[in-house]
Amino acid sequence: DTEVTQTPKHLVMGMTNKKSLKCEQHMGHRAMYWYKQKAKKPPELMFVYSYEKLSINESVPSRFSPECPNSSLLNLHLHALQPEDSALYLCASSQGGGAWTEAFFGQGTRLTVV
Amino acid sequence: AQKVTQAQTEISVVEKEDVTLDCVYETRDTTYYLFWYKQPPSGELVFLIRRNSFDEQNEISGRYSWNFQKSTSSFNFTITASQVVDSAVYFCALRRNFNKFYFGSGTKLNVKP
Repeated sequence: DTEVTQTPKHLVMGMTNKKSLKCEQHMGHRAMYWYKQKAKKPPELMFVYSYEKLSINESVPSRFSPECPNSSLLNLHLHALQPEDSALYLCASSQGGGAWTEAFFGQGTRLTVV
Repeated sequence: AQKVTQAQTEISVVEKEDVTLDCVYETRDTTYYLFWYKQPPSGELVFLIRRNSFDEQNEISGRYSWNFQKSTSSFNFTITASQVVDSAVYFCALRRNFNKFYFGSGTKLNVKP
């Protein structure tokens, strides 16, 4: 199983809503990532969890709140988002934190904030 | 500072043509890793290849080949006999002793029948 599964695939939310994005992998990977990708742009790193601890936060606004309940799951809690937060949110995982390991990506959640 | 440049924004070819996607990188590190990913319209990034900075051997995998040249800081990707299924956005990326990928801006490849 080399899959990273993200749910939901599409999400439309209002600016006052609270929602969560979910990501799951069963490859035994110990590093998990959230990326944000705007149209026609490369993915931008948001957060990295290594061994279930937050190791990198790329100065992401607090309206995005990550959570890693266990080594297989990664959540991204959303609250009071802005229309400019509309994007494709990609989850990824890799075997460890080493630079030599490739990351496996999910299909993403296409988020629209209205 | 790390930087990856993919100067070709979009390339269009006709099926069965060969096509090369360019990637130029900048880093002061002596140890680093280079990657290519494919992003089809479905959204997920699909890993294609990894190269470390000490291994300049070119690699061929089926219709895909990669040319890594440290002297020119380039890691180019060639698709031979392109197919419609190769249509996607291709990203080159650099990674150091860190968890962060530095992605290029991507090259959109259109393969027409």
